[in-house]
Parts: sequence; structure tokens; C-alpha cells
Amino acid sequence: QVQLVESGGGLVQPGGSLRLSCATSGFTFNDYYMGWIRQPPGKGLEWVSYISDTSSYTSYADSVTGRFTISRDSAKNSLYLQMNSLRAEDSAVYYCARRGYYDSSGYYTHWGQGTLVTVSS
Amino acid sequence: DIQMTQSPSTLSASVGDRVTITCRASQSINSWLAWYQQKPGKAPKLLIYKASTLESGVPSRFSGSGSGTDFTLTISNLQPDDFATYYCQEYHRHSQTFGQGTKLEIK
Repeated sequence: QVQLVESGGGLVQPGGSLRLSCATSGFTFNDYYMGWIRQPPGKGLEWVSYISDTSSYTSYADSVTGRFTISRDSAKNSLYLQMNSLRAEDSAVYYCARRGYYDSSGYYTHWGQGTLVTVSS
Repeated sequence: DIQMTQSPSTLSASVGDRVTITCRASQSINSWLAWYQQKPGKAPKLLIYKASTLESGVPSRFSGSGSGTDFTLTISNLQPDDFATYYCQEYHRHSQTFGQGTKLEIK
């Protein structure tokens, strides 16, 4: 079955960096767009970024553009999110998610359990 | 950017009730809308995509409708397992936006 397992979250100081990873299994990784969605504690969902199946296209929310970079490694069936210049408002549970099969399928069919990022001094 | 407005923010209902949640987009998104259910401490679960297509394995008491800017999620014959928070999400263009969520509570 499809599995997505995030790692790399933790406590980081404002201005610091963190790299999140998402290990996937149970599907052909190269066939799917992937994305990151975050949820601040007690708040709603916020889309962060997605990457195309071939890595040729990426898109970011305005709130993270220029600070976050999404990438993927087909050899490792893994998705990454490099987060730089972190701010308190970036504190959230970060979910890795797989999109629907077709390129136009911008919804997320499978989600990981999430990893918590806390930005605080 | 497209803004998504859900209403109500909170909804109280009883087992067996029929409830409707609304999602409005700030501009036309055709039918590029999904609905998710989220329970505390868990990841969201996809219920509906393309406004009205039920995801595999989702009970038929869930239904979606709408196109353009106005969309609804209807849950018929509410079951105890349905009390959760519901989010809409648009995927019309290269950015994506979630609604702020609707918490469905037991009356």
C-alpha cells in the first residue's frame, strides 16, 4: 500500500534552516506529482509547494517563495523540502502528500503522518 | 491568488441529520475543487475531487456539487464517525488554496 513517511522536523531558531524528507513506497514514485502542505497548531491547512513528476516544474505559496525549495530523488523514492530563513509563522506540522495520477489532478490522494517544525528562540 | 471561503466555520448536528457545507471561490475555478475530512491528530483524507467525484472507498452519503465559484459538500444520514473538520481545496492553476475549514460537532 502507499506509504509516505516524513522526517526531519524539530526545533530551530528564527533565521535557521531545516530539511524535511519524505520517504515513499507502494507506488511508482516517478509517475506522480508530489507536494507539501502545512498546518500550524490548532489552525487550518496551508498548501506550501509541489513538484512535477520529472522535477521540471515547481510551484510555491507566496509565503515561502524564495526561502523554501522542493526537490525529489527518484533513486531514493523521496521528496524533500529545504527550508531557509525560517520564521515563527513557519511553525507547523508539515505533511508530504501525493497528488492524483494525472498532471491536472491537483488534489492529494495520500498523505503522510506529518512532521512538526517549531521555530522559536 | 484565489481565495476560498468556507461556511459555516462550525456546524452542530445530530446523528442521522443531513448537513451542507459551502465553499466559495474568489474567481471561477471550473470544477477543480476537492474536499477533505480531518480528525484530530490525523492527516486529512480525500473525500471528493473534481467537485463531485467520490474518492474510492468513501461512503456514498458524502456528495459534492457545484462549479464556477460556488460549491457544496453534503453529508446525508450523519454517522458518529463523520464528526470532524472539513476543508475544501482549489487546484485551478499552479497555486493551490485551502478553505479555512468547517468543524462539524455533535449537537
